Amino acid sequence: DAGVIQSPRHEVTEMGQEVTLRCKPISGHDYLFWYRQTMMRGLELLIYFNNNVPIDDSGMPEDRFSAKMPNASFSTLKIQPSEPRDSAVYFCASSLVGGYDEQFFGPGTRLTVL
Amino acid sequence: KNEVEQSPQNLTAQEGEFITINCSYSVGISALHWLQQHPGGGIVSLFMLSSGKKKHGRLIATINIQEKHSSLHITASHPRDSAVYICAVKGGSNYKLTFGKGTLLTVNP
Repeated sequence: DAGVIQSPRHEVTEMGQEVTLRCKPISGHDYLFWYRQTMMRGLELLIYFNNNVPIDDSGMPEDRFSAKMPNASFSTLKIQPSEPRDSAVYFCASSLVGGYDEQFFGPGTRLTVL
Repeated sequence: KNEVEQSPQNLTAQEGEFITINCSYSVGISALHWLQQHPGGGIVSLFMLSSGKKKHGRLIATINIQEKHSSLHITASHPRDSAVYICAVKGGSNYKLTFGKGTLLTVNP
């Protein structure tokens, strides 16, 4: 298996633009997690899905952020409109059994909002 | 909300030294993860613990549930062990992880 795949790896955009980050989890994994990493706050969970259903989105910073998982092999995280404070590395991870199992992380998307 | 504290924040060692990184948390948990993040940014899961001790090669992780404390040990450290080590805890009935800020380890040859 190729592991968790994220695209793009780097994104530079201007404030106010829409940004879409993409993730393909490992086949057969029932859980998908979106994380954000910044120097100030470290790693934070934004949202996670179980069997394509959003379970906990309490970490989503505000209404400008939305996430979907239309099928078991694809998820998106969208920011609209983007702001400079959204600049961070966004990781997607998947696992077989949520927090009781190893999580496999994607390479991350480094987002810069100018 | 669980507070996760790691110590030290930064650690520099000479090759061959025994390394210990500590993680304390404020609220009872059901699982604790140790993660490794290399300078290139990739994150790898090292251990998932709910009790006792686990060992993978030169890495050993222990957890004391009563004291709300975990340690990650590296024996015979090597420059390739240089990375950020992150502790994360899971409590309650959902699968949300709360992360420590990480420990930056540098092992010099």
